[in-house]
Amino acid sequence: GAVVSQHPSWVICKSGTSVKIECRSLDFQATTMFWYRQFPKQSLMLMATSNEGSKATYEQGVEKDKFLINHASLTLSTLTVTSAHPEDSSFYICSGAGGPHEQYFGPGTRLTVT
Amino acid sequence: AQSVTQLDSQVPVFEEAPVELRCNYSSSVSVYLFWYVQYPNQGLQLLLKYLSGSTLVKGINGFEAEFNKSQTSFHLRKPSVHISDTAEYFCAVSGYAGNKLVFGAGTILRVKS
Repeated sequence: GAVVSQHPSWVICKSGTSVKIECRSLDFQATTMFWYRQFPKQSLMLMATSNEGSKATYEQGVEKDKFLINHASLTLSTLTVTSAHPEDSSFYICSGAGGPHEQYFGPGTRLTVT
Repeated sequence: AQSVTQLDSQVPVFEEAPVELRCNYSSSVSVYLFWYVQYPNQGLQLLLKYLSGSTLVKGINGFEAEFNKSQTSFHLRKPSVHISDTAEYFCAVSGYAGNKLVFGAGTILRVKS
């Protein structure tokens, strides 16, 4: 099946700093990519939908100025958590849409803000 | 709006026994239903999906699920589990072809020898 990678897999940063997470589709082109957040023992919550070359669409309650998403190419989307705080600590998962009803997920990035 | 309820947070089962993981959904529009599996330190992998047609859907690794519109359910079943099936399973729903998924909270399947 199609492969999506994320980098880094785990990152620790200090409160107030920014951190960038990369999501790459390795063997397919993803016009649309999705970013999810998963808290321990909870479900994946969609944060935003990004389409290549256009602005991301954020879900209700997600701060677009805090979670900056860039989808500059058909194989790369980035999520930047700006001015991170401990409450931003979470597991961030991206996925790429390979077609209708086909979504391929990355392995996730664990962010810890100290 | 759609929502998904996975009724069991954990399901312990002995190897070679049958298992059913329950999923109920709510939606005001037609739905597309999915089951994903997540092994430790790996991304979600699609097990099976229901888009239309036969309500019994067969997936990978011997899993199957049945779409029941009247009961708004999409339960996942396997007649005989293996140790290697130990993982977390997520039910998800999409309401249109835009791929936007709403996930349930997940069910951890623990297969014991």
